[in-house]
Amino acid sequence: DTGVSQDPRHKITKRGQNVTFRCDPISEHNRLYWYRQTLGQGPEFLTYFQNEAQLEKSRLLSDRFSAERPKGSFSTLEIQRTEQGDSAMYLCASEMLGGEGGTDTQYFGPGTRLTVL
Amino acid sequence: GQSLEQPSEVTAVEGAIVQINCTYQTSGFYGLSWYQQHDGGAPTFLSYNALDGLEETGRFSSFLSRSDSYGYLLLQELQMKDSASYFCAVRDENYQLIWGAGTKLIIKP
Repeated sequence: DTGVSQDPRHKITKRGQNVTFRCDPISEHNRLYWYRQTLGQGPEFLTYFQNEAQLEKSRLLSDRFSAERPKGSFSTLEIQRTEQGDSAMYLCASEMLGGEGGTDTQYFGPGTRLTVL
Repeated sequence: GQSLEQPSEVTAVEGAIVQINCTYQTSGFYGLSWYQQHDGGAPTFLSYNALDGLEETGRFSSFLSRSDSYGYLLLQELQMKDSASYFCAVRDENYQLIWGAGTKLIIKP
């Protein structure tokens, strides 16, 4: 257990429905990332927050995706009008930028596996 | 563009040594990280190299040559539990992690 939790762990939905995922990072971490991963590929960057500010969003990310991190704590990722191509594992990671040790470690949650039928 | 190249699959025998290579081409470079991911699990951090040379952590070592844009992960005394995918990732000029596609390590008894 890395200390990062995600909910739900699995989500099955029908095409066209909206879904929302939640990530609770390690409490003192100031950066929170969302990634998407499909089988046989590395994590694909979606967006990240520094505290409550969303600093970057992937150019590949459609307008159907939105993320928030109110108060710089937990974060939510919403996908509107889901498509079958959205089926993937959605990973959240947190890190403490400028933390001690200089290991530049991202701590990942267990992920939310989304299946769009 | 930014890219990281690593072999898609490596096979080794239990107890042996295996090296997984990674070459990168990124806009800026702050360091090379390695992560391990078991099937169905999330990536977990293994090592980080910001400077040239070898970093050793138990059975795992990681090497970096910034002039060659190259690094490797060395796993010694392989155990069956080391069967997993291994990802290299580079911190680019924006301090983002850019990920390789991963190397699946298959260990045979």
